[in-house]
Amino acid sequence: AQKVTQAQTEISVVEKEDVTLDCVYETRDTTYYLFWYKQPPSGELVFLIRRNSFDEQNEISGRYSWNFQKSTSSFNFTITASQVVDSAVYFCALSVGGTASKLTFGTGTRLQVTL
Amino acid sequence: GAVVSQHPSWVICKSGTSVKIECRSLDFQATTMFWYRQFPKQSLMLMATSNEGSKATYEQGVEKDKFLINHASLTLSTLTVTSAHPEDSSFYICSARDLSRGDEQYFGPGTRLTVT
Repeated sequence: AQKVTQAQTEISVVEKEDVTLDCVYETRDTTYYLFWYKQPPSGELVFLIRRNSFDEQNEISGRYSWNFQKSTSSFNFTITASQVVDSAVYFCALSVGGTASKLTFGTGTRLQVTL
Repeated sequence: GAVVSQHPSWVICKSGTSVKIECRSLDFQATTMFWYRQFPKQSLMLMATSNEGSKATYEQGVEKDKFLINHASLTLSTLTVTSAHPEDSSFYICSARDLSRGDEQYFGPGTRLTVT
């Protein structure tokens, strides 16, 4: 069975601070995908990134960066110079078996960015 | 591209009635659609996977007779909550997959169901 743990329930930061959202996953499969999604108050899920289990390169996209470490089964997400618009719930998710099909979501981390 | 819509975006119904939620892929053909349920301040839980033209596969613990899923075409899947009760109140989200675009899932905006 698969499991995704996001230990941080809520994080509150002041604008321009950097913040890291943690994600730890469990699976016995050697082929899997990891995802991060953003869910703003409107409810619609916004896709942020997908990474397969064979690609451990870290990725940077603007103010967003992701650190994938298979040794610790972690896929952490960092927002640099946070902004109020970053306020949302962020979900880490996992799918196994070589296809991005059945997603197992973590419980989410609610990020509140204040002025 | 890869837009998924849901209708209605919110619905209020009385206990005991049935309500249908539609999920449409607007600019691609979705061979597979997924239905998720999200309780307030909780995670998304997969309810079922539906493939066009075949019966849906339900996750353990999901009552298939209560949550009827139909995927009659490559662009439309419906979820019918039958004999709804207040505990069915939730946020229902669908996603669709287009194998010609790879196997990425594209999510709809969700439907908020309130049963009174």
